[in-house]
Amino acid sequence: GAGVSQSPRYKVAKRGQDVALRCDPISGHVSLFWYQQALGQGPEFLTYFQNEAQLDKSGLPSDRFFAERPEGSVSTLKIQRTQQEDSAVYLCASSLVGLAGDEQFFGPGTRLTVL
Amino acid sequence: AQSVTQLGSHVSVSEGALVLLRCNYSSSVPPYLFWYVQYPNQGLQLLLKYTTGATLVKGINGFEAEFKKSETSFHLTKPSAHMSDAAEYFCAVSDRTGGYQKVTFGTGTKLQVIP
Repeated sequence: GAGVSQSPRYKVAKRGQDVALRCDPISGHVSLFWYQQALGQGPEFLTYFQNEAQLDKSGLPSDRFFAERPEGSVSTLKIQRTQQEDSAVYLCASSLVGLAGDEQFFGPGTRLTVL
Repeated sequence: AQSVTQLGSHVSVSEGALVLLRCNYSSSVPPYLFWYVQYPNQGLQLLLKYTTGATLVKGINGFEAEFKKSETSFHLTKPSAHMSDAAEYFCAVSDRTGGYQKVTFGTGTKLQVIP
C-alpha cells in the first residue's frame, strides 16, 4: 500500500506489561512523528525522527516510553510497565521532508487499552 | 508556546446547510495553519493548509478556510453540508521558526449532519 500503516490496530495489555507498536511510513519519507491521542482530545506530539536520528523526544510522557527507527524506515514505539493512563490511540505520521508547513500523512493508529 | 482553541466540541448542521467550524490560535508570529479531518477508526487526513500568500485557502471536499491575522483565526467553512462530512475536525498549527514541523492540534470538533 501507499499509505502509512500501523500494527497492531488494537492492543489490550494488563497493567505492568510491556508493549511494542509498529509504524511503517510511506517509502522514502524522511520524517516520522509519533502522537498520542487520548479519548476526546486532539493528538499530542510524542517524538520526531529524521531518518534514523531521533531529533526531538520532548513529548514522551515518561522514561517508560521509548521509540526507535534504526534503519530510517520502520519505527517502533515501546511502552514499558504500562499504566492505565497510557490507554490512548497512538498515531504515526510521516512526511517527505518534514519542514514546517509540510503535510504529514497519518496512519490509522493503534488503540491501546491498559486494564 | 503555541496553542489552538476550537470553539464547540460538537456542531450539528442540517444537510445542505452552511458548515462553520471555528479555530483561533495563540502565537506571537502567525504560524502555519492546518485543518485535518478524522473519520471513525481512521487516521487524520489533511483538508487544507495555509503557509503563505492568499489568505483564503481552498481544500478538498469543498471546504475552505480564511486566515485572518487581526482576529488570529482560521475558521473552516463549507457552503452546503453533505452526510459524508460527518467526522471529527482538527485545527492545527506549526511554528514557522522551527526547523521541522512540530504540530500542535486543537481538541477537535465533531460535526454531525442531520438529514
